[in-house]
Amino acid sequence: SQTIHQWPATLVQPVGSPLSLECTVEGTSNPNLYWYRQAAGRGLQLLFYSVGIGQISSEVPQNLSASRPQDRQFILSSKKLLLSDSGFYLCAWGREGFTEAFFGQGTRLTVV
Amino acid sequence: AQSVTQPDIHITVSEGASLELRCNYSYGATPYLFWYVQSPGQGLQLLLKYFSGDTLVQGIKGFEAEFKRSQSSFNLRKPSVHWSDAAEYFCAVGATAAGNKLTFGGGTRVLVKP
Repeated sequence: SQTIHQWPATLVQPVGSPLSLECTVEGTSNPNLYWYRQAAGRGLQLLFYSVGIGQISSEVPQNLSASRPQDRQFILSSKKLLLSDSGFYLCAWGREGFTEAFFGQGTRLTVV
Repeated sequence: AQSVTQPDIHITVSEGASLELRCNYSYGATPYLFWYVQSPGQGLQLLLKYFSGDTLVQGIKGFEAEFKRSQSSFNLRKPSVHWSDAAEYFCAVGATAAGNKLTFGGGTRVLVKP
């Protein structure tokens, strides 16, 4: 069966510090991968998606970036965090050719 | 581009009562539609999905949803709510073009009164 791992679960970072959130998927190959952000009291905003290694599409211009160094690994990064980057970050995967997505447990990021 | 509207931000329902959550979508072709549930501090769990065929779909935890093309709606229902159904519910529409992306509505938070 397929599983998705996302870490860390909770992170508190000072303004201006770098960020690296990691997500890995097991039990499948060539998945579509997604990073969503959920701000407090708001819905989910798609940040990045990837249909293959090294293929990243950005949905919202901001100071975040994503990379896919391996088939089942998806990384969300920032060189310098802003207060507005605080939120709940969710990684998700989907099967090639399908839109159904399966979510990780999320990372609560607080920028102070 | 696709979009999803969930008109109700909060709904309070008594335990044992029925529940209906509204979802309206905008998409140029036949949509793929989903309902997800999120408990506080957790990821999203898929409740049910509609791709094609029977417009009434059954999901987990006793939920069902009905696709109505004429109304561009995909409302979620449960006949009798349990206290454990208190959570936030998200409707989403998917597109196979451009990376099979899901677009989510703003969510509806359900509170269950004893």
